[in-house]
Amino acid sequence: GAGVSQSPSNKVTEKGKDVELRCDPISGHTALYWYRQSLGQGLEFLIYFQGNSAPDKSGLPSDRFSAERTGGSVSTLTIQRTQQEDSAVYLCASSLAPGNNYGYTFGSGTRLTVV
Amino acid sequence: DQQVKQNSPSLSVQEGRISILNCDYTNSMFDYFLWYKKYPAEGPTFLISISSIKDKNEDGRFTVFLNKSAKHLSLHIVPSQPGDSAVYFCAASGVGNEKLTFGTGTRLTIIP
Repeated sequence: GAGVSQSPSNKVTEKGKDVELRCDPISGHTALYWYRQSLGQGLEFLIYFQGNSAPDKSGLPSDRFSAERTGGSVSTLTIQRTQQEDSAVYLCASSLAPGNNYGYTFGSGTRLTVV
Repeated sequence: DQQVKQNSPSLSVQEGRISILNCDYTNSMFDYFLWYKKYPAEGPTFLISISSIKDKNEDGRFTVFLNKSAKHLSLHIVPSQPGDSAVYFCAASGVGNEKLTFGTGTRLTIIP
């Protein structure tokens, strides 16, 4: 597709349930990033994938969070045993090459609400 | 530890006037800076960037200024238009580090 696609756009889940968020990056973009934006906060880095290299997971807030990227394309962010503080907009971005000369292209995000 | 700070959560500017959005950073290893614009229910979109070897970069109505000694950058929009109303995020990265560190954003409202 022409842009970064994320699904679902909205997700309401009960505390303690697991959720999966999906990201389809722009075709040919080798780098993929997950960020989240909590209410009133900036964008918080979660995880970064680059080609076949091991992902940079340094931003994942707890071991309940995990992500994978299959075939160097689609990525799934999984949150296990969701908590209310996980409520946020989860944003995926991709870029053509490592480094930021081109900027990231972001998807529209998944708004996660944990009740 | 907020390494990129946008101290003004909101700003209102009359249409046609200049909008100035400010950003401060604390990490001296940052060498590349970007501004993103975000409309409601959409992802941020890349607006303009600047490398630390420059002190100014211009693209149409948008100019970014970098003062490395003060660890400060600013985005100037002139003339401001109603379509510029959005949240603006400042972001920074360091050498060999593809992650961007974002500020908390400034909501710009252009008054017709």
